[in-house]
Formats: sequence, C-alpha cells, structure tokens
Amino acid sequence: GQQVMQIPQYQHVQEGEDFTTYCNSSTTLSNIQWYKQRPGGHPVFLIQLVKSGEVKKQKRLTFQFGEAKKNSSLHITATQTTDVGTYFCATQGGSEKLVFGKGTKLTVNP
Amino acid sequence: DAGVTQSPTHLIKTRGQHVTLRCSPISGHKSVSWYQQVLGQGPQFIFQYYEKEERGRGNFPDRFSARQFPNYSSELNVNALLLGDSALYLCASLTGTGYEQYFGPGTRLTVT
Repeated sequence: GQQVMQIPQYQHVQEGEDFTTYCNSSTTLSNIQWYKQRPGGHPVFLIQLVKSGEVKKQKRLTFQFGEAKKNSSLHITATQTTDVGTYFCATQGGSEKLVFGKGTKLTVNP
Repeated sequence: DAGVTQSPTHLIKTRGQHVTLRCSPISGHKSVSWYQQVLGQGPQFIFQYYEKEERGRGNFPDRFSARQFPNYSSELNVNALLLGDSALYLCASLTGTGYEQYFGPGTRLTVT
C-alpha cells in the first residue's frame, strides 16, 4: 500500500531560523495533505496539494508538491515559538483512508 | 459550531477487558474515521464510516469494531485488550464530499 516517509524526524531551530520538512514516496501520489499537531493536541489540517508542481503559501508556510508527485515539502520562514509541534504529511491510501508519515517534530528555542 | 467531540478523554483498562470509545462529528458531517496514534508515530487508519456504512478498514485485528448511528455519531469497540493497544484514539469528521479531516481531541487509552 501507499507509504510516505518523512525527514527529518526531529528538528530544533532558533527562533527566526527557517525550517523545512520533506515527505517522500516511492510511488506516485494522488494528493498530499499536511497536518500540524501541537504537543498534547490533535492533528489539525493545514492544506491539500493535488497538482504536479503545485506550490501554495499560507503566511510564513510554503507547501510544494513535486513534479513527479512523489515528494512534497513544507517550509516555514522565520520560525516562531507558536510553530512548535509535529508536522505530518498524509496521502489518500485508497478506500478513503489517510496514510500518515511518522512526522517531523519541531522545537523552537526562543 | 461545536467541533468533533470524543469521550472519554482518558481511560485506563486491564489486559483482556473491552472498551468503547465514542465520537460525535461536526454538525452536518456524515462521515467519521477512526485512527490509532501510538506515541511518537503518525495516526494509523482503523475505520471509516459514511451514512452508517463501513467505507474502509485498516490493517487491524477483528478485536476492533465500529459502528455509526443514525445521528452520525460513532463508537469504536476494542475487545480482549492488549498492552499494545495503549494509544491515543482519534476520531475525524468529514463532510462526505470534501477531503479535509477534522480531528477530535482524542481518547487516551492506557492498558495495564
């Protein structure tokens, strides 16, 4: 079945530095969704990418879907302490289920 | 509008017991999905229901079962609990036509 691998597993940055997490698959993906889970919280939907080469921006967050639809990235510019959490990519794995990556845990030093 | 609600918040059970977890989706949403999230991992799909019909099932043993009621709320049942069933159980609500999943706060299950 569909699998997505995320790197890095952990990332620690100083406030104001940029952050990027990557999501990779060996097979072509129909879509990629990104979620954020704050410590002790639940996943919150950020965005869905569907088209090859798609780029979407939400304030300081930039999401990309690769040309071959096998990888995606989430880039945060000038991190803030409010960005702390685990960022998951997920893809539709057939029969309506979402297949999640293991996530990238971001910590920000103020 | 209220978001997705789940009960109970926390639960401690003993090996061999069974447990029932409950979820109420966002008003107007007809689809509910259940996920298991073990510490340090991403959520793993267990079931999806739409209009009371099972739409999808993940790779979980038959000890796991679920159902959806006419008001679209849902129950997840787990029988013969194992230590490895300790996890955060998340319910997600979907409109049925859209793709965005709205997660509830989850039920933290500890099996001792």
